[in-house]
Amino acid sequence: ETGVTQSPTHLIKTRGQQVTLRCSSQSGHNTVSWYQQALGQGPQFIFQYYREEENGRGNFPPRFSGLQFPNYSSELNVNALELDDSALYLCASSLGFANTGELFFGEGSRLTVL
Amino acid sequence: QQQVKQSPQSLIVQKGGIPIINCAYENTAFDYFPWYQQFPGKGPALLIAIRPDVSEKKEGRFTISFNKSAKQFSLHIMDSQPGDSATYFCAASKGDNTDKLIFGTGTRLQVFP
Repeated sequence: ETGVTQSPTHLIKTRGQQVTLRCSSQSGHNTVSWYQQALGQGPQFIFQYYREEENGRGNFPPRFSGLQFPNYSSELNVNALELDDSALYLCASSLGFANTGELFFGEGSRLTVL
Repeated sequence: QQQVKQSPQSLIVQKGGIPIINCAYENTAFDYFPWYQQFPGKGPALLIAIRPDVSEKKEGRFTISFNKSAKQFSLHIMDSQPGDSATYFCAASKGDNTDKLIFGTGTRLQVFP
């Protein structure tokens, strides 16, 4: 059973650029959630995808968007990058509505915006 | 608006000590309260979780105490070990979607030999 994998692990962008982060969910999991973790803070919920549809969104602007594919993998896209977007982006998968409440997190993609 | 307040920000104990981390929440609709453990360079991992129908839950050396009327819950680590040194996050969510977690700000625990 493979765990949640994310790519890239680190990347550096400049203000105004766009970035795409990728996530492969744990085998058998149909739900993917994305979280932003600023340095020294707890993760903040960005959005969740279930069966390729967005199923809930946190307090993030529309320039944060996502996709889920038929194999349940997911992408997080951020347009018009701002300095405050520098953070660790965590992907988490679960069994969705049949879940036990446990989220399985990947190791994250650390984004630095200069 | 921060909905889950966590304290202390950092904690240092000696091996064998019992660190206690506290969290308070505001939204009475929350009904799922997990604790996650995060090591440097890793994603958070679920440690233990509780629902408000019980006041205490133990799993190994980890215990959650839950006080519904006070809207508070805490994590106790019995016989702490240097390997427990990590950042601990409390979180809360509503029953309709336990994946939408509201996390606390974290407690960095250091356990010295």
